[in-house]
Amino acid sequence: RKEVEQDPGPFNVPEGATVAFNCTYSNSASQSFFWYRQDCRKEPKLLMSVYSSGNEDGRFTAQLNRASQYISLLIRDSKLSDSATYLCVVTSMDSSYKLIFGSGTRLLVRP
Amino acid sequence: ETGVTQTPRHLVMGMTNKKSLKCEQHLGHNAMYWYKQSAKKPLELMFVYSLEERVENNSVPSRFSPECPNSSHLFLHLHTLQPEDSALYLCASSQGVLNTDTQYFGPGTRLTVL
Repeated sequence: RKEVEQDPGPFNVPEGATVAFNCTYSNSASQSFFWYRQDCRKEPKLLMSVYSSGNEDGRFTAQLNRASQYISLLIRDSKLSDSATYLCVVTSMDSSYKLIFGSGTRLLVRP
Repeated sequence: ETGVTQTPRHLVMGMTNKKSLKCEQHLGHNAMYWYKQSAKKPLELMFVYSLEERVENNSVPSRFSPECPNSSHLFLHLHTLQPEDSALYLCASSQGVLNTDTQYFGPGTRLTVL
């Protein structure tokens, strides 16, 4: 089983739509969680951290469900510029230096 | 953005060549990282340096040799690579070395091994 699993997509949605991605992780002891965004042929950039109580940043909402070991990202009012690959990231329990990246979920927002 | 820069951006090399990738961070960070991103695979951590000392070597073959002469510069020396080493090589830096510190990535070097 992969340590971090994501649906690769692509999710193809119209502008203005609401879209949600889930990510599951295998190690129940994992402590910290993040969503990164990676544009085509560019580097990953931190989108937001995921807190136990859930957190919101503008149109983006992240949730953590420790019991079911999944993380979600909700994007409201999708923009064309939201088209990217969204990477789910979990801190490793084997190393205090290591992040475990998912393979990413690709989002395409169409006009 | 010029926080983390990498050169070259693209590299094509034969299996017998020796080449080096360079990374420079302008953020005053203390930790630097090398990652490999192959097509349709997740990012794989290769090496971690904290204050110029290597603290993690993630079972990387010896044909990849990192060097960190100071906290702003990181190199990845390549020799006798294999075609399966073709990938995007990303450098990152962070203020501290814990995996809860935000990592800032460079644009990457796209490497093709013939």
